[in-house]
Amino acid sequence: EAEVAQSPRYKITEKSQAVAFWCDPISGHATLYWYRQILGQGPELLVQFQDESVVDDSQLPKDRFSAERLKGVDSTLKIQPAELGDSAMYLCASRSGTASSFFGPGTRLTVL
Amino acid sequence: ELKVEQNPLFLSMQEGKNYTIYCNYSTTSDRLYWYRQDPGKSLESLFVLLSNGAVKQEGRLMASLDTKARLSTLHITAAVHDLSATYFCAVDKGHNNNDMRFGAGTRLTVKP
Repeated sequence: EAEVAQSPRYKITEKSQAVAFWCDPISGHATLYWYRQILGQGPELLVQFQDESVVDDSQLPKDRFSAERLKGVDSTLKIQPAELGDSAMYLCASRSGTASSFFGPGTRLTVL
Repeated sequence: ELKVEQNPLFLSMQEGKNYTIYCNYSTTSDRLYWYRQDPGKSLESLFVLLSNGAVKQEGRLMASLDTKARLSTLHITAAVHDLSATYFCAVDKGHNNNDMRFGAGTRLTVKP
């Protein structure tokens, strides 16, 4: 069964360091999302891609976060510099049309 | 801005009982999704509701959508311990925009 892949699964870093997360969506899924989920809350959309184009990044803190999907397939989310408040689960999801989104296992980030 | 509200946020129920989780959203949309999340895990798709009056059932869970009231319900029948999890509803912004926004989640605990 096709799955969304994410790496790493866990990341511990010190504040002010740079971190990067990778996502490989299900093949053929044009829409890719990055969400941040703080413990006890719902996923918050950071950025949405349609193929290689950013559709919505209104909630992305652009002073420190960046995201790209250069070839319209896999995607990278970067944080530089990381802050204590960035500790969360970072979820990648992909989707085809109006079908339900498929979520990856997530990357749990801890900033010390 | 699209807002999605769920209630209750916490639900503790006994095995064998019935209960309903509610999901209200603020703008016109006819695409609503329910997900389940187990502790420390990613999100699993449960239901996709794509039209007014849509009803979907899987085992002890039944979801419905009333687009005029901007309300979806997730009904639990004869709860069992395995249903303990956090349940999220999510709504598309619509208008060909696949931007999916999530509610805060309902943490369900089913006790023997």
